[in-house]
Amino acid sequence: NAGVTQTPKFQVLKTGQSMTLQCAQDMNHNSMYWYQQDPGMGLRLIYYSASEGTTDKGEVPNGYNVSRLNKREFSLRLESAAPSQTSVYFCASTHRWAGGNTGELFFGEGSRLTVL
Amino acid sequence: AQSVSQHNHHVILSEAASLELGCNYSYGGTVNLFWYVQYPGQHLQLLLKYFSGDPLVKGIKGFEAEFIKSKFSFNLRKPSVQWSDTAEYFCAVIGNTGGFKTIFGAGTRLFVKA
Repeated sequence: NAGVTQTPKFQVLKTGQSMTLQCAQDMNHNSMYWYQQDPGMGLRLIYYSASEGTTDKGEVPNGYNVSRLNKREFSLRLESAAPSQTSVYFCASTHRWAGGNTGELFFGEGSRLTVL
Repeated sequence: AQSVSQHNHHVILSEAASLELGCNYSYGGTVNLFWYVQYPGQHLQLLLKYFSGDPLVKGIKGFEAEFIKSKFSFNLRKPSVQWSDTAEYFCAVIGNTGGFKTIFGAGTRLFVKA
């Protein structure tokens, strides 16, 4: 029962370095999301992919790029990390039905990123 | 644009007290509504959800929520809290148009004193 798997769980970067957060789900969900969580800010949507082959910006997309590699995998890339990107990142997936209803989100364990 | 507002950022209760956490959303169309819980050091888990039908929904661990469409509200309630309910609670909304984005409130930190 893997569900949603994120790697790495912890990462320390220097300002200006790049890195990619990987996410994979084995629930055959069509929609996947990347959220950023900071204390007192809730979860803010960075990017999402409503279905394979599509990606769209969320609330806070600046400084990030994403790739929906296939139905299972959705990666988040930081091209030039900044201290303001120090945060916990959660990947999530769900199923969206043709009629519009969308199921609950299933979350990964989170990736804690520190940018020095 | 969708938005979610949670009224209380921090709540402290004694065991056996009743709980009500407020949630209001802004969205003009049909919505799906959720409450998630995040225990310390863990990821978010679903407490309950509303898609349609009976506006009073029951979730896990004795939680329930009532959808009041006229007030754009989806408040979470529990008659008697336990120490193990100490966690952060998030209300979330997804509209059936506009990209199907799930938007979260800022969260409410609940601390239950034993």
